[in-house]
Amino acid sequence: DADVTQTPRNRITKTGKRIMLECSQTKGHDRMYWYRQDPGLGLRLIYYSFDVKDINKGEISDGYSVSRQAQAKFSLSLESAIPNQTALYFCATSDVRGRETQYFGPGTRLLVL
Amino acid sequence: GNSVTQMEGPVTLSEEAFLTINCTYTATGYPSLFWYVQYPGEGLQLLLKATKADDKGSNKGFEATYRKETTSFHLEKGSVQVSDSAVYFCALLISGNTGKLIFGQGTTLQVKP
Repeated sequence: DADVTQTPRNRITKTGKRIMLECSQTKGHDRMYWYRQDPGLGLRLIYYSFDVKDINKGEISDGYSVSRQAQAKFSLSLESAIPNQTALYFCATSDVRGRETQYFGPGTRLLVL
Repeated sequence: GNSVTQMEGPVTLSEEAFLTINCTYTATGYPSLFWYVQYPGEGLQLLLKATKADDKGSNKGFEATYRKETTSFHLEKGSVQVSDSAVYFCALLISGNTGKLIFGQGTTLQVKP
């Protein structure tokens, strides 16, 4: 079984709709992250959470919100989707030690029409 | 600010050719450096890492040396295989305990038989 899972894997939605992307992990890590990947731009950090009560904005948080429901679950919401939020979204986890590796989920491909 | 710059792709090589993918960085403090690989349709996987100057990371025949004097972390492999075809991302972990990764834009490698 995968250590970091994301649902859905693919999603098509319309402008203005609210959608939620979910991430679950079985690695027992405290830290979780949401990134988006755009062609030619690499991955950019949207939000990150160091534990259930600690949530921080990344470099591109506008238009997004998150919820850390439990240590193992971290959800990303688009309150009112717009076409330039079309991207590949990745969840990642890491151990509490600052230099530890991040482990990525398989990604969610989102298309906003 | 902190940033990572990778060579433009795509890189197309024949099987058994020598691979170099250049990566340079700008960072305050003493970052850790990483190479991640993304195979088609999958999430990112850690390929190798180095946590201090002059460290060499290696895995699956790939190597990269952390060069503080040239702020570089170039990825090399002596003999590539078709199965190495993927997108390669160079990344730095900001020093301190933030856990925030900064990614380069990615370099696509295509290896032909």
